[in-house]
Parts: sequence; C-alpha cells; structure tokens
Amino acid sequence: GNSVTQMEGPVTLSEEAFLTINCTYTATGYPSLFWYVQYPGEGLQLLLKATKADDKGSNKGFEATYRKETTSFHLEKGSVQVSDSAVYFCALNRGDYKLSFGAGTTVTVRA
Amino acid sequence: DAGVIQSPRHEVTEMGQEVTLRCKPISGHDYLFWYRQTMMRGLELLIYFNNNVPIDDSGMPEDRFSAKMPNASFSTLKIQPSEPRDSAVYFCASSLAGWETEAFFGQGTRLTVV
Repeated sequence: GNSVTQMEGPVTLSEEAFLTINCTYTATGYPSLFWYVQYPGEGLQLLLKATKADDKGSNKGFEATYRKETTSFHLEKGSVQVSDSAVYFCALNRGDYKLSFGAGTTVTVRA
Repeated sequence: DAGVIQSPRHEVTEMGQEVTLRCKPISGHDYLFWYRQTMMRGLELLIYFNNNVPIDDSGMPEDRFSAKMPNASFSTLKIQPSEPRDSAVYFCASSLAGWETEAFFGQGTRLTVV
C-alpha cells in the first residue's frame, strides 16, 4: 500500500549545523510529496512540497527534491537555527486527497 | 481567511461524558479531515468529508466516535461516552481538491479524559 517512512528521532543539533531528515515512500502512481512542520503547541504547517519527479521544493532555507528513482524526498537545511526546533513530518498525497504522514521527526537545535 | 478554526483549544472531561469538538474549515475548501495525534500512534486520519459527505471513516476507532458536517462551514467530532484512552490532540484540516494541494490544519483541540 501507500506509505511514508521517515528517519526516527529525536535529532539534536547545534546552531548552524547541517540538518538532513530522510524520507522514503511507497506509492502507486505518482503522488505529490510534502514536508510539514509542527512547532510546540501548534498545528501542522506546510513547509514545502513537490508534485512531480525531480521537482525541488524550498522554503525558509529548507529544501527537498522528489527522487522517483530512489522513492525519496529527504529534507535538508544547511544552517539550522534554534527557531527550527520542531517536529517534521513527511507526507504524500495519494490522489484520493488523503495525506499519508510519516511518524514525525523531532528536531532540537541548541544555541 | 482566518484559517481553520477549532474549538475548544483544550477540553478536560470525566470518563463517560460526551465530548464535542468543533471545526470551521477554510471557506471554499472541498475537503475536511479529522486527525488524532498521540505519542504512541502518531498522526492518524479518523474520517474525511468531500462536499460535506463522509467519504472514508475507516479510521474512526469505535462506534463511540461520530462525525458530522451539516454544511460547508462547520463540522463536529463527537465522542460518547469518552474514555481515558481517547486523550489526544485532535486536528481538523481542510483542502481544495487536487493531487497537488496541501491540507491546512487548525491548531488542534487537546482532549484530556480523566
């Protein structure tokens, strides 16, 4: 079936470190892929998305490239800040308009 | 638009009581989703509606849970009777139709059943 697997956390980094969160998916057809971010006490917000193979989504210094050959959509940021501390969710839209979410990765950035 | 609005933000109730969670989706959105988030199970889709019609309720855990969408601007999720294991954060989200569209989430209702 359709599913998303993302790296388990928690991840703890120092400010200005490089962040990678791995995400792989299993899906029939050609899903759209998303990264959502959840800050403490808040709902999920869209961080970026990509809707076809080789598309790169980017926002707030974060990037992810839709790799169909490896069925991956890894999230990266070159220099994290304390304000990036949050839970990050990878998700896919299967075409039936339901989002399938990964388990979430908790990221903590220390000053 | 103010985004997806959920109420209440926090709810504490006693076991056995009825709980009703409310959601106002973004105007013009065709789809409405109810999710539950717990530490143990992560984010689970409970039910979703398209144009006010329930499409898939396979995620509703038990008959104690029910959801309605009487019109395009309002939905409720009801738990009757509530149990301590229902304690979680419940999110409502809405979206437009289409493969490429994202869901917009409300801030959630934190439910505690004691």
